[in-house]
Amino acid sequence: GQSLEQPSEVTAVEGAIVQINCTYQTSGFYGLSWYQQHDGGAPTFLSYNALDGLEETGRFSSFLSRSDSYGYLLLQELQMKDSASYFCAVKETGGFKTIFGAGTRLFVKA
Amino acid sequence: NAGVTQTPKFQVLKTGQSMTLQCAQDMNHNSMYWYRQDPGMGLRLIYYSASEGTTDKGEVPNGYNVSRLNKREFSLRLESAAPSQTSVYFCASSEDRGVYGYTFGSGTRLTVV
Repeated sequence: GQSLEQPSEVTAVEGAIVQINCTYQTSGFYGLSWYQQHDGGAPTFLSYNALDGLEETGRFSSFLSRSDSYGYLLLQELQMKDSASYFCAVKETGGFKTIFGAGTRLFVKA
Repeated sequence: NAGVTQTPKFQVLKTGQSMTLQCAQDMNHNSMYWYRQDPGMGLRLIYYSASEGTTDKGEVPNGYNVSRLNKREFSLRLESAAPSQTSVYFCASSEDRGVYGYTFGSGTRLTVV
């Protein structure tokens, strides 16, 4: 079967750093993506990891360990606008089928 | 550049009615997808189309049919709507396998009463 696990909620203070973890079990693995979704909006793409290691895009970084079936999203210098839901998503072998986790709701406090 | 356009944005159906959700993209993407999103369950893949002329089942295809009309358009049809199909539906597109991410439409909020 396929499953992705991520925390349901995380709270952090403006200006801080927060890490959102994701562990996965899938029948085949092609890559791990992260998406952001604000309330009432559509998901927007943040990052993609196919190989082990860290990918950095501005204030956001994403990490993957294929051997541990584990990844995380790191958000630095948190801003109020970062309050949103964050989804990890696994691309299965072949690369066309992407399965999403249930999402982590991030609350950024002043 | 409109990106991915979905219509309608809102719809209320009675149980047993049918409807088609329309999706069109103007980014010349090969692959298109339909997801549904329910509270606390993330996005679940209904059907996808890796390229024009092909469609495949996702995680939750029962009760739905799709048509990849051409490279731009990918429609989702509910033949006989059920209350369990009340959800927010998102269409998405990507270049090939979506290594650079999916672009999502703004969603269709469907209620079946």
